[in-house]
Amino acid sequence: SQKIEQNSEALNIQEGKTATLTCNYTNYSPAYLQWYRQDPGRGPVFLLLIRENEKEKRKERLKVTFDTTLKQSLFHITASQPADSATYLCALDSGAGSYQLTFGKGTKLSVIP
Amino acid sequence: DTEVTQTPKHLVMGMTNKKSLKCEQHMGHRAMYWYKQKAKKPPELMFVYSYEKLSINESVPSRFSPECPNSSLLNLHLHALQPEDSALYLCASSQERGQGEKLFFGSGTQLSVL
Repeated sequence: SQKIEQNSEALNIQEGKTATLTCNYTNYSPAYLQWYRQDPGRGPVFLLLIRENEKEKRKERLKVTFDTTLKQSLFHITASQPADSATYLCALDSGAGSYQLTFGKGTKLSVIP
Repeated sequence: DTEVTQTPKHLVMGMTNKKSLKCEQHMGHRAMYWYKQKAKKPPELMFVYSYEKLSINESVPSRFSPECPNSSLLNLHLHALQPEDSALYLCASSQERGQGEKLFFGSGTQLSVL
């Protein structure tokens, strides 16, 4: 069955360091992978989308990589700030033309001043 | 306007009540979604509307009844809910329903069923 795994439920990191979050998937062949940020009691906010033929995508302090051989995406936040503390969700298209996003459980990132 | 607006923000209802959740977007998006999210879990898809027609119903119990009166509005009618239905209900929209479409979410309705 299809599975999305985000490496850890929680990640603590010192301010100024680079946070790296992992998203692994099995039994998917996604053409796209998306990352969202969710704050408590709020809806997810879209951050980045990466296509299967792209190795890397950047937006300001954010970087996403996509390795379809390893079936893995890495999400990096450089020069992390306390305001980056949130839950980060990866999401995949369920495939087979269904066009519905399935979300991973998320990683709760805490940036410690 | 890049917002999806959901009302109410909070709702407490008894198991015999009937209530409705509302969602509105003015971005001209043609696909709208209802997701359910329990604490510390990912959002789970309930319904998808594309061009005001229901295109996906993820085996949701009939006590949840969606409605799309026009391309900007999405409702979720609730009737005879159970306490386990307590969750954050999220509405989202996207330009179209297709691969690679990013979703715009509302802030959600936090529902408590007593």
